Amino acid sequence: EIVLTQSPGTLSLSPGERATLSCRASQSVNNNYLVWYQQKPGQAPRLLIYDASSRATGIPDRFSGSGSGTDFTLTISRLEPEDFAVYYCQQYGSSLLTFGPGTKVDIK
Amino acid sequence: ITLRESGPTLVKPTQTLTLTCTFSGFSLSTSGVGVGWIRQPPGKALEWLALIYWDDDKRYSPSLKSRLTITKDTSKNQVVLTMTNMDPVDTATYYCVYRGGLNWFDSWGQGTLVTVSS
Repeated sequence: EIVLTQSPGTLSLSPGERATLSCRASQSVNNNYLVWYQQKPGQAPRLLIYDASSRATGIPDRFSGSGSGTDFTLTISRLEPEDFAVYYCQQYGSSLLTFGPGTKVDIK
Repeated sequence: ITLRESGPTLVKPTQTLTLTCTFSGFSLSTSGVGVGWIRQPPGKALEWLALIYWDDDKRYSPSLKSRLTITKDTSKNQVVLTMTNMDPVDTATYYCVYRGGLNWFDSWGQGTLVTVSS
């Protein structure tokens, strides 16, 4: 089983600031098959990034994904008020799909 | 694409949970398509449970495999998940999800909260 660790657990920032979220895998993720989701309170998660760096349909370009192997990053270039939420990574490089514990981005 | 979960909101310990996902906007007979289940205990992270593919291939989380069964009814556009021997730790919101390409999920149902309590 590939264990995903996300850091930090909570990121306190102000609107307009840059957010950098980390997702680290316990072993290399095949083909960099990693996605990022955003979840707001009371809502289902929303797909942001797939294949580590490809934006899903309708996702603003302030969201970007990067990384390979075991280290992946989600960057939000300039936080908008609607971006304060919890972010999860998920790997699909193995048949056992696993999620990270999440990073909460809250307003400073 | 829309997905909607239905089933009991309260089950007793040791009972079997049956959840139905009714979907529209795609066919589960189309090559490459899959429907899965993911759960989220209150205030906690997401956990993948099961996935069924267009060709009836099925995959389960190893930690829960002995308790889970996933089936599909293509004619009704439904996928059913059963989980046996429910326990209070299984209290969670259960989501039905659509897999359109590889094993990531770009459409989610609204989720249904299932509470396990006597």
